[in-house]
Amino acid sequence: DVKVTQSSRYLVKRTGEKVFLECVQDMDHENMFWYRQDPGLGLRLIYFSYDVKMKEKGDIPEGYSVSREKKERFSLILESASTNQTSMYLCASSPSGQGKDTQYFGPGTRLTVL
Amino acid sequence: GDSVTQMEGPVTLSEEAFLTINCTYTATGYPSLFWYVQYPGEGLQLLLKATKADDKGSNKGFEATYRKETTSFHLEKGSVQVSDSAVYFCALRGSTLGRLYFGRGTQLTVWP
Repeated sequence: DVKVTQSSRYLVKRTGEKVFLECVQDMDHENMFWYRQDPGLGLRLIYFSYDVKMKEKGDIPEGYSVSREKKERFSLILESASTNQTSMYLCASSPSGQGKDTQYFGPGTRLTVL
Repeated sequence: GDSVTQMEGPVTLSEEAFLTINCTYTATGYPSLFWYVQYPGEGLQLLLKATKADDKGSNKGFEATYRKETTSFHLEKGSVQVSDSAVYFCALRGSTLGRLYFGRGTQLTVWP
């Protein structure tokens, strides 16, 4: 069965802390994605990666960075957390190739920045 | 650019009622179209998809038809159940490296 896991379901951090959100997929997918989900705004793409060590900015990359050192793992980094980064963070992965465009999502990490 | 507009919620229905959630899109070329569902406390999961004009995606009693002439992909179900209560997202696969563009989501609540 397809599986995307995220390191924490709930996380509470202080303003200014460096925060790491980890995502691991076991499907050998090339593409991985980080979204944030906020009420009334739906899902907004932060960053995505289509290969190891490759990354592309999404629609709201400011205040975030990412790392993909291994194919199965995609990390989202908040260099200095701020209260406006309190949100639900969703990771997803998908294979490459014609017609193989379904994204598979992890359960999400609800991050609260105090 | 690529975008999706879906019906604002929340939608509240009684069990066995008919459901329609509207979705329209803007895209270049011939995008694939998706409906995802998010049950409380969970991530998103694929509900159905369609990859070309006039295709009908279906799953769990839900259906949506890819209408190129009206650039729409409306979600329908003939008889909803309490267990269908969730947030529904319409999405399209854009031309950029497999990324998806999501609508804002529609909260559905079904009462017994």
